[in-house]
Amino acid sequence: AQSVSQHNHHVILSEAASLELGCNYSYGGTVNLFWYVQYPGQHLQLLLKYFSGDPLVKGIKGFEAEFIKSKFSFNLRKPSVQWSDTAEYFCAVKVPRKLIFGQGTELSVKP
Amino acid sequence: AAGVIQSPRHLIKEKRETATLKCYPIPRHDTVYWYQQGPGQDPQFLISFYEKMQSDKGSIPDRFSAQQFSDYHSELNMSSLELGDSALYFCASSLELSYNEQFFGPGTRLTVL
Repeated sequence: AQSVSQHNHHVILSEAASLELGCNYSYGGTVNLFWYVQYPGQHLQLLLKYFSGDPLVKGIKGFEAEFIKSKFSFNLRKPSVQWSDTAEYFCAVKVPRKLIFGQGTELSVKP
Repeated sequence: AAGVIQSPRHLIKEKRETATLKCYPIPRHDTVYWYQQGPGQDPQFLISFYEKMQSDKGSIPDRFSAQQFSDYHSELNMSSLELGDSALYFCASSLELSYNEQFFGPGTRLTVL
């Protein structure tokens, strides 16, 4: 069955700390992977995406993610978080005609 | 650049009423997707349309129906509303069915009292 699993439901960090959010997927076809961010009361915004090529993908706002095919993972990273990164983060896999989202990880950054 | 437009942005209804949500895709996008995000939940796929025909169906209740019109906008019709239908309803659009990025609209927040 197609699914996405995010390991952490809620992560609390202090400003300048490093971030890594885990994402594992289950899908047998060609993989297209996404990370979306949802700020409080806002809609989903694309952070970055992987379609093919270099497995290390750089996105907006200093985020990056690494696609590791052997581990079925697509973890999101940021070297130094800011208070403004407080939001919910969703990993998603594109299957034909729809996206399947993970459960989301709520990130709280303390100033 | 033009984005996905959804209307209304907020809607308050009572139980057993009906609601219609509208989605206007990015110009030239031919595929529309609807997602439902309950409080504290991840977005769940409801239904999608490609070239005005339903292309896939997810966890959409029988009380809901949707269609895509000749100008590619889509409407989600919800009848006999229940308290549990309170959620954020996102529309997304893309160009062609496979392996293209979906662009999300701002969502319609539906509250059922």
